[in-house]
Amino acid sequence: KAGVTQTPRYLIKTRGQQVTLSCSPISGHRSVSWYQQTPGQGLQFLFEYFSETQRNKGNFPGRFSGRQFSNSRSEMNVSTLELGDSALYLCASSLAGVLGNGNTGELFFGEGSRLTVL
Amino acid sequence: SQQGEEDPQALSIQEGENATMNCSYKTSINNLQWYRQNSGRGLVHLILIRSNEREKHSGRLRVTLDTSKKSSSLLITASRAADTASYFCAPFGGSNYKLTFGKGTLLTVNP
Repeated sequence: KAGVTQTPRYLIKTRGQQVTLSCSPISGHRSVSWYQQTPGQGLQFLFEYFSETQRNKGNFPGRFSGRQFSNSRSEMNVSTLELGDSALYLCASSLAGVLGNGNTGELFFGEGSRLTVL
Repeated sequence: SQQGEEDPQALSIQEGENATMNCSYKTSINNLQWYRQNSGRGLVHLILIRSNEREKHSGRLRVTLDTSKKSSSLLITASRAADTASYFCAPFGGSNYKLTFGKGTLLTVNP
């Protein structure tokens, strides 16, 4: 079974540009979560999608957005990039469905997309 | 917030020694999970302990949970250089669908 795939693995952008990151979850997983990891702030939750609906959102500005497609693949977009957006962006998928229905919250992570903003 | 806080922030030991990391949290939980992250890579799920369990083993890993103190510990026995990584705890409340993470414990195992 293939794991979570994130593309691209590395990218360099300049301030003011926008970026789109892609995440393909494990087959059969319908929940996708996104995290930003920086040395200063650690791992911060961005948002979580299930069946094309955003169910949870972290405390990030509106420049950060995401979506999920009918095949559970997800994308996140960051517009008007700032230097502080340089980070490792991690995607994680899970089986999460209806609460209480065997939902343990266990996450399966991809290897991340390393974004550098110059 | 369901975020766990790991302690210590950094731990350096020699190969063969045991490593103990602690986690504290603030809300009621359904389970608590531990993850490992090698430098610059994605997190890997290590072990999950449910709220009605007190101790769980998996290979060289031993996890304890004390819900009255809202704390957990992860013990890695007979550490190896390959155990060098950051370790995160993640309390899962079950009331929503997100896991949040603290700053982690950076474990360095010296050969």
